[in-house]
Amino acid sequence: KNQVEQSPQSLIILEGKNCTLQCNYTVSPFSNLRWYKQDTGRGPVSLTIMTFSENTKSNGRYTATLDADTKQSSLHITASQLSDSASYICVVSASGGSYIPTFGRGTSLIVHP
Amino acid sequence: GAVVSQHPSWVICKSGTSVKIECRSLDFQATTMFWYRQFPKQSLMLMATSNEGSKATYEQGVEKDKFLINHASLTLSTLTVTSAHPEDSSFYICSARDIERENNEQFFGPGTRLTVL
Repeated sequence: KNQVEQSPQSLIILEGKNCTLQCNYTVSPFSNLRWYKQDTGRGPVSLTIMTFSENTKSNGRYTATLDADTKQSSLHITASQLSDSASYICVVSASGGSYIPTFGRGTSLIVHP
Repeated sequence: GAVVSQHPSWVICKSGTSVKIECRSLDFQATTMFWYRQFPKQSLMLMATSNEGSKATYEQGVEKDKFLINHASLTLSTLTVTSAHPEDSSFYICSARDIERENNEQFFGPGTRLTVL
């Protein structure tokens, strides 16, 4: 069964600090992995997308890594800002078929001043 | 580019009434749209896949007669919650797949908050 597990479930950090969110998956055959940011009461917004051959991808202060061998990904946020407070969702898609992705439950990040 | 809109953004209705939610891809054509439901502090749960010009494919446990989906054009899909009850109160999000983009990336709408009294 395709599954995506994220940790931690929630995280509280001080403004300016860095943090790393984890994503483990069992989706197979692997097509791509995306990290989304979802603000409360809003739809998810894509941060990064990585395919099998990509190990790292950055989008401003967000850097995602992918280890396809261990089926792990991380999202590193540098110099956090109050506006980074949101839920971060890891989504993994399998190749072939209907492209329906598997969603993680998300990590709720709170950045305190 | 790749903007998906939803209307309304929020709706409050009485128990027993029906509510229609629209999902539009504003600057691209989407042969496939997806409807999700999200309860507080939970991840998105796929309800159904909407294919233009054909019947929607519903996930296990989702009542197709209660959640009517119509995808009449390449830019519009609608979800109608029929005879809504308080347990249907949730955040409904649609996404549209842009087949012209790499990896058939999905773009999400801003969501619709449904509250059934």
